[in-house]
Amino acid sequence: EAQVTQNPRYLITVTGKKLTVTCSQNMNHEYMSWYRQDPGLGLRQIYYSMNVEVTDKGDVPEGYKVSRKEKRNFPLILESPSPNQTSLYFCASSWVAGAGELFFGEGSRLTVL
Amino acid sequence: DQQVKQNSPSLSVQEGRISILNCDYTNSMFDYFLWYKKYPAEGPTFLISISSIKDKNEDGRFTVFLNKSAKHLSLHIVPSQPGDSAVYFCAASANSGNTPLVFGKGTRLSVIA
Repeated sequence: EAQVTQNPRYLITVTGKKLTVTCSQNMNHEYMSWYRQDPGLGLRQIYYSMNVEVTDKGDVPEGYKVSRKEKRNFPLILESPSPNQTSLYFCASSWVAGAGELFFGEGSRLTVL
Repeated sequence: DQQVKQNSPSLSVQEGRISILNCDYTNSMFDYFLWYKKYPAEGPTFLISISSIKDKNEDGRFTVFLNKSAKHLSLHIVPSQPGDSAVYFCAASANSGNTPLVFGKGTRLSVIA
């Protein structure tokens, strides 16, 4: 089954404690991206990757890091989480950046206390 | 500066009637447009798309209209069903889909039985 898998789905953590949200896709997609969804703000792109070892900042990259060492995985790293990073996070992948179907994961709800 | 705007945060429609969701964009380089649907606790899913070379694309009950001169697109759902109740995101891309999607803030559609 074609899917994008994110883990963890739910996490409560404290300010400053480093965490990683993993994302894996099984469709051999070249393009992967991270979004956050906040009330009234819609989906905002954090980082994206056009291919292995190629990453770029989206609209709201501050406080986040990513890496793309292999095609299927695109982890999102919060080195020192802060309460303003409390949000619902989505990983997505597709063959190309903006055309066709962008497949989303089920989301990871992160709360930073 | 918001490049993709969905000015109606919410919309309520009677079952069986037409739902019209609107989207405006400001970037004249956008040439590919998509609609995504999102249910609670799930990731967004692709619904329908349109290229700027067309002014209409239809898929079953869903039709997207594009008015390039007005930089406006709309999604029509006919007839509306209770299962259509969700948040709908408009998204746009430039360079024939080779740039990351820019999303609107979403419109919450409620179809009342």
